Amino acid sequence: AQSVSQHNHHVILSEAASLELGCNYSYGGTVNLFWYVQYPGQHLQLLLKYFSGDPLVKGIKGFEAEFIKSKFSFNLRKPSVQWSDTAEYFCAVNARGGYNKLIFGAGTRLAVHP
Amino acid sequence: SAVISQKPSRDICQRGTSLTIQCQVDSQVTMMFWYRQQPGQSLTLIATANQGSEATYESGFVIDKFPISRPNLTFSTLTVSNMSPEDSSIYLCSVDRSGEEPQYFGPGTRLTVL
Repeated sequence: AQSVSQHNHHVILSEAASLELGCNYSYGGTVNLFWYVQYPGQHLQLLLKYFSGDPLVKGIKGFEAEFIKSKFSFNLRKPSVQWSDTAEYFCAVNARGGYNKLIFGAGTRLAVHP
Repeated sequence: SAVISQKPSRDICQRGTSLTIQCQVDSQVTMMFWYRQQPGQSLTLIATANQGSEATYESGFVIDKFPISRPNLTFSTLTVSNMSPEDSSIYLCSVDRSGEEPQYFGPGTRLTVL
């Protein structure tokens, strides 16, 4: 069965610290990979996506993620976090080709302290 | 991206009643999905809303409890029937315009059942 695992449920950082959130997936075929973010009181927004090509993808607000096929991983990174990055981050995957449902990880709550 | 609106944004309902949630998109989309986000949990797909045919439900979700309509390519409704406190969740619709793009999410409907 398809599944997505996010290793950290709660992360607390100080401003300017570096961030890496882990995401591993289980799926037998070719996948698309996503990170979504939900800021406090706001709706779910797309942070970045990987469909094909360069495995290092860049998203909004200085975030990037690297797809490592051999490890079934799609970790999210940011070199220097800001207080405004406080949010919940969801990794998601769907099968490539066609209109396919998203499988979400459990989410990681990030709190950035000034 | 797509601009997606949902009505109502929130509601408080009594046990045993039903609530219909509307999802409107600003452009025609091929596929619409309905997800549930229970308190403190990740998103789970309820069903895929197919235009012109019956919705496709995920395991654990049934049409009698969550009837869905999709009368055209820009609109869908989800009804939560015979509600119980366990149905208290955020219900979100998402759209996939082409199968080659990410899914975009509406703002969600926060439902509380007393």
